Amino acid sequence: SYELSQPVSVSVALGETAKISCGGNRIGSKNVHWIQHKPGQAPVLVLYKDLNRPSGIPDRFSGSNSGNTAILTISRAQAGDEADYYCQVWDSTSYVVLGGGTKLTV
Amino acid sequence: QVQLVQSGPELRKPGASVKISCTASGYTFSSQTINWMRRVPGQGLEWMGWININDAKATYAQGFTGRFVFSLDTSVNTAYLHITGLKTDDSGVYYCARGLNPADFWGQGTLITVSS
Repeated sequence: SYELSQPVSVSVALGETAKISCGGNRIGSKNVHWIQHKPGQAPVLVLYKDLNRPSGIPDRFSGSNSGNTAILTISRAQAGDEADYYCQVWDSTSYVVLGGGTKLTV
Repeated sequence: QVQLVQSGPELRKPGASVKISCTASGYTFSSQTINWMRRVPGQGLEWMGWININDAKATYAQGFTGRFVFSLDTSVNTAYLHITGLKTDDSGVYYCARGLNPADFWGQGTLITVSS
């Protein structure tokens, strides 16, 4: 089965840049999506297909995907960005695959 | 706008069953699959599986076969998750989400508490 690995936690200073990685075998050949989940709220898609932002998501959120690692970059981090972030891919044998999640602390 | 509205919190005893709902609006219900995910305390989101709206065929992730059943009522644009033989480990928040690649809109979650 296909697996994704994420760091358990990432810390960033207010106004600085956070990078959250998502590792997987040849993940660069897949579309990677990123989901933000704040406590008590519905999860929100913040990036899809590696680098595309849904309507309403600020351009401070960006992404890249190459080789065995995809990265979610959050620029000018704000207190409101504190959340758990999950990467997600579609795999032909495992179907929907979620990373273990990364807790972002600002 | 797209919305997925889930039913309210549930409290059950071990061994009981529960059925929760997810009602969609703002898009053509048959155009997208519905996923079910859950988050139990101390763990991350887990994908439970999906149901195809057009033929009601369900696909279950490993660990979610047998006690978990997905169903539909397309007349009211609603998907259901039925869990039988509840265990205390099933306590958590259950989410429905639209689409597979990606799951682009999510419900607000339904808290299921299993306790004697």
